[in-house]
Amino acid sequence: DAKTTQPPSMDCAEGRAANLPCNHSTISGNEYVYWYRQIHSQGPQYIIHGLKNNETNEMASLIITEDRKSSTLILPHATLRDTAVYYCIGGLNSGGGADGLTFGKGTHLIIQP
Amino acid sequence: GAVVSQHPSRVICKSGTSVKIECRSLDFQATTMFWYRQFPKQSLMLMATSNEGSKATYEQGVEKDKFLINHASLTLSTLTVTSAHPEDSSFYICSARGPRYEQYFGPGTRLTVT
Repeated sequence: DAKTTQPPSMDCAEGRAANLPCNHSTISGNEYVYWYRQIHSQGPQYIIHGLKNNETNEMASLIITEDRKSSTLILPHATLRDTAVYYCIGGLNSGGGADGLTFGKGTHLIIQP
Repeated sequence: GAVVSQHPSRVICKSGTSVKIECRSLDFQATTMFWYRQFPKQSLMLMATSNEGSKATYEQGVEKDKFLINHASLTLSTLTVTSAHPEDSSFYICSARGPRYEQYFGPGTRLTVT
């Protein structure tokens, strides 16, 4: 897996957009970027993933830079329930084998009321 | 998203006994499942990869004879912690690989060995 770098913590006001950055400078051309989050004492939750193009689903949007060295996860209208540790995991080859995930320290996002 | 369940959610056992944890994918078939553990204030660490119908692949430093994994069907993988000791106390989490290589996680099992 490509090494990723994330800020250890971020605050965001409830109702505002939360923008979580991730650097993945060693990612190669066929490696995807996956985002997961873990709410305290629960199993992680899959959020979104992408390769080159920006992606959007019901939970979030993923913006990947053209050089694919970094990405931003956007939660458009953050709620208190979005408080969690967010993990950006790069370097997974979705067309290849069944690699397990290497979790870094992630970003602890705290949504403030 | 897809649903993965784990049972039990919490277990307390005495040192030297064995504990079995079940992981089920409820609404999809999973050829591949994974087992992780998480110690307090740490990130998840991959223990092993479980493929249906074949032997599990263990990460370096994980004892295969202590953590027995069986993936007998496309919806069930089990982890048995044999001869558990207090240092095995942890949060054990399974996941099932989805069709786009995303992973869906169970709610976790908190094991306490006394």
